[in-house]
Amino acid sequence: SQTIHQWPATLVQPVGSPLSLECTVEGTSNPNLYWYRQAAGRGLQLLFYSVGIGQISSEVPQNLSASRPQDRQFILSSKKLLLSDSGFYLCAWSSGEAEAFFGQGTRLTVV
Amino acid sequence: GQNIDQPTEMTATEGAIVQINCTYQTSGFNGLFWYQQHAGEAPTFLSYNVLDGLEEKGRFSSFLSRSKGYSYLLLKELQMKDSASYLCAVAVGGYQKVTFGTGTKLQVIP
Repeated sequence: SQTIHQWPATLVQPVGSPLSLECTVEGTSNPNLYWYRQAAGRGLQLLFYSVGIGQISSEVPQNLSASRPQDRQFILSSKKLLLSDSGFYLCAWSSGEAEAFFGQGTRLTVV
Repeated sequence: GQNIDQPTEMTATEGAIVQINCTYQTSGFNGLFWYQQHAGEAPTFLSYNVLDGLEEKGRFSSFLSRSKGYSYLLLKELQMKDSASYLCAVAVGGYQKVTFGTGTKLQVIP
């Protein structure tokens, strides 16, 4: 069966510090991968999606970047965090014509 | 781009029926999903519509009209545990891109 791992679960980082969130998927190959952010009480904002290794599509201009160094690994990064980067970050995968499955999320607080 | 609209909040009584609407404007539509999200947790999949019509799954049903850009999620025999946010999501571009609405926060009251 397929599983998705996302870590860490919670993170408190100072403004200006770097960020690296990692997401890995098991039990499937060539998944579509997604990073979403959810601000408190808000919907899910699509940040990045990837349909293959090294293929990244960015949805909104921002302080973040994403990379897919391996087929089932998706990384969200920032060189210098802003206060506005605080939120609930969710990684998800899908096989294509089906629903997306979410990781448990990372709650990031920038202080 | 995609534009997805849902009511922000709804309240319904335990045991009743509630309908949560979603309208969308998008190009390259492939399918529509409904997810449930309890506070502080990741969304979980509820239903998936590709063709027009009603899909029923237990207490939950979802309807889609592609020509009208409209969907609804119907929850029957409401239970207190159904209190959650319900997210409508649209897949476009050969399912490569999945965009979510802002979600509807449903409160079930006794």
